[in-house]
Amino acid sequence: DAMVIQNPRYQVTQFGKPVTLSCSQTLNHNVMYWYQQKSSQAPKLLFHYYDKDFNNEADTPDNFQSRRPNTSFCFLDIRSPGLGDAAMYLCATSYTSFIETQYFGPGTRLLVL
Amino acid sequence: DQQVKQNSPSLSVQEGRISILNCDYTNSMFDYFLWYKKYPAEGPTFLISISSIKDKNEDGRFTVFLNKSAKHLSLHIVPSQPGDSAVYFCAASATSTGNQFYFGTGTSLTVIP
Repeated sequence: DAMVIQNPRYQVTQFGKPVTLSCSQTLNHNVMYWYQQKSSQAPKLLFHYYDKDFNNEADTPDNFQSRRPNTSFCFLDIRSPGLGDAAMYLCATSYTSFIETQYFGPGTRLLVL
Repeated sequence: DQQVKQNSPSLSVQEGRISILNCDYTNSMFDYFLWYKKYPAEGPTFLISISSIKDKNEDGRFTVFLNKSAKHLSLHIVPSQPGDSAVYFCAASATSTGNQFYFGTGTSLTVIP
């Protein structure tokens, strides 16, 4: 089945220790998104890639970076995680950047100690 | 600032009855609205959508109503089934900003057998 896969499902890191979250997709979609969802809050878009074009949301902290080495994979790098970065990170994809359904992965829950 | 609001964190309904989930938005530029359903340990999955040129869209047991003047939409589930127990997210997008979704905080629906 075509899908969006996120690894790992749970990630524990230490305060200030860089961490990378991974997302892959078999849908062959052009656009990949990263959302952050904190407890009891709405998912918030951090950035997205249209193919190799990177689009950062204005209020996404510089501590968050992303890489998309090919169509299938996208990574979220948190350079120096703080306690406030503990959250669920959701990856999503869509075929175009026009308004259409986004397909979500199961998410990675990040815990910062 | 939260542009999409779901003011009811939770809702309980008896099996077979109607579930009504509500969503309000503040941005008059929003012209496309979606509902996502999320089970524990899974990513959100698309449920139903509506464009601002319509005021109703129906798909089986699920109907979404849009009241543009009130900036309000609702999701009706009839009849409710125990398998509908999940968190429901409302999302909105504006054609002018492409496929950028603004999510609500979600409503946890419990359907009691």
